[in-house]
Amino acid sequence: NAGVTQTPKFRVLKTGQSMTLLCAQDMNHEYMYWYRQDPGMGLRLIHYSVGEGTTAKGEVPDGYNVSRLKKQNFLLGLESAAPSQTSVYFCASSTGQGTDIQYFGAGTRLSVL
Amino acid sequence: DQQVKQNSPSLSVQEGRISILNCDYTNSMFDYFLWYKKYPAEGPTFLISISSIKDKNEDGRFTVFLNKSAKHLSLHIVPSQPGDSAVYFCAASRNSGAGSYQLTFGKGTKLSVIP
Repeated sequence: NAGVTQTPKFRVLKTGQSMTLLCAQDMNHEYMYWYRQDPGMGLRLIHYSVGEGTTAKGEVPDGYNVSRLKKQNFLLGLESAAPSQTSVYFCASSTGQGTDIQYFGAGTRLSVL
Repeated sequence: DQQVKQNSPSLSVQEGRISILNCDYTNSMFDYFLWYKKYPAEGPTFLISISSIKDKNEDGRFTVFLNKSAKHLSLHIVPSQPGDSAVYFCAASRNSGAGSYQLTFGKGTKLSVIP
């Protein structure tokens, strides 16, 4: 069972470059989320989606954009990367049924030089 | 302002003994609480949860206790095993409108179980 798959696993960017992180889930979940985790910090919500074609801002949305064109995919974009965006990014999905459990991918480690 | 606090960054326990991980929260709107376990280079995995209408939930070696009046929950692992060594995140959920539920995470506690 693949579950939640994130690509790439690692990436190094130069300041000002752009990139897209891809999250794919095969559990037919309605809700998808993007988090970042920094050293000594918990996971902080960047953006989330409650269904295909919808997106919403989380706790730390600045500098990121997202798209949910297909139910199974949730893309996170960095238009102009900054060193402050060096982090580990996690994608998660859930059924959206009440207080449900979120299932996480293995993460993408991003370094911005 | 941190709404979910795990005040112990690390905890060491002997194999076979009890591990107790603590979590405090400040937002009374939270109505569901979860514990996630995370190994290095992996994503968090769900461990156990509890609704605000309960004060205890048990699943095998893992028990979560909730004290609503104190806004405090704890995770008990008995007996602790070396494979339990990981970072444990406490998370709290609230209905953020339009049917969506957002999780607020604590900073995590690194548990080391010593053989």
